[in-house]
Amino acid sequence: NAGVTQTPKFQVLKTGQSMTLQCAQDMNHNSMYWYRQDPGMGLRLIYYSASEGTTDKGEVPNGYNVSRLNKREFSLRLESAAPSQTSVYFCASSAFRTGGGQTQYFGPGTRLTVL
Amino acid sequence: AQTVTQSQPEMSVQEAETVTLSCTYDTSESDYYLFWYKQPPSRQMILVIRQEAYKQQNATENRFSVNFQKAAKSFSLKISDSQLGDAAMYFCAYRSASGTSYGKLTFGQGTILTVHP
Repeated sequence: NAGVTQTPKFQVLKTGQSMTLQCAQDMNHNSMYWYRQDPGMGLRLIYYSASEGTTDKGEVPNGYNVSRLNKREFSLRLESAAPSQTSVYFCASSAFRTGGGQTQYFGPGTRLTVL
Repeated sequence: AQTVTQSQPEMSVQEAETVTLSCTYDTSESDYYLFWYKQPPSRQMILVIRQEAYKQQNATENRFSVNFQKAAKSFSLKISDSQLGDAAMYFCAYRSASGTSYGKLTFGQGTILTVHP
């Protein structure tokens, strides 16, 4: 049981390049999330998918797009990378349970540097 | 919108001693959940403990316990018998239980905990 996996672990891009961060979970969770972590700011939600077939913006969605490919996979795309997108990106998933108390399980993160 | 504040950027503790990490939050909601996550140097986010706002009893998990003060909007984490493996960044997080913010976590800025042998 791998939990939440992310690829790649590290990536260096040049300004203007595009790339897709991949995330997959094997816990049969309905909800998936993408966060970014910047120094001194904690984690901030970029996009989330409450269930297969739905996606919604989080706190910092500008410059990103997402695709909920199926129940297991949720990808994050940077169409034209900018230095401000240099960050560590985390994917998370959670089971659906009424009341919102379900625990989120996190992947190991992707460290992205945009030059 | 909800906000979470961790006012201690860094804390340190001697091995086997007790340390308390502070967290305050701002919300107009009555139903929500609070979490403490640990992030060691490996960057993996690990759930330490969670608290349901409707429960008056403070959550405990082995050496970890919380002091949840709903009226004061305070949610501190106490680590007893600190171990070297407790050294990490600790994040406090808030999760709404209703409305348009349903399911989304809001994190504090984090507190770096150093454990001295």
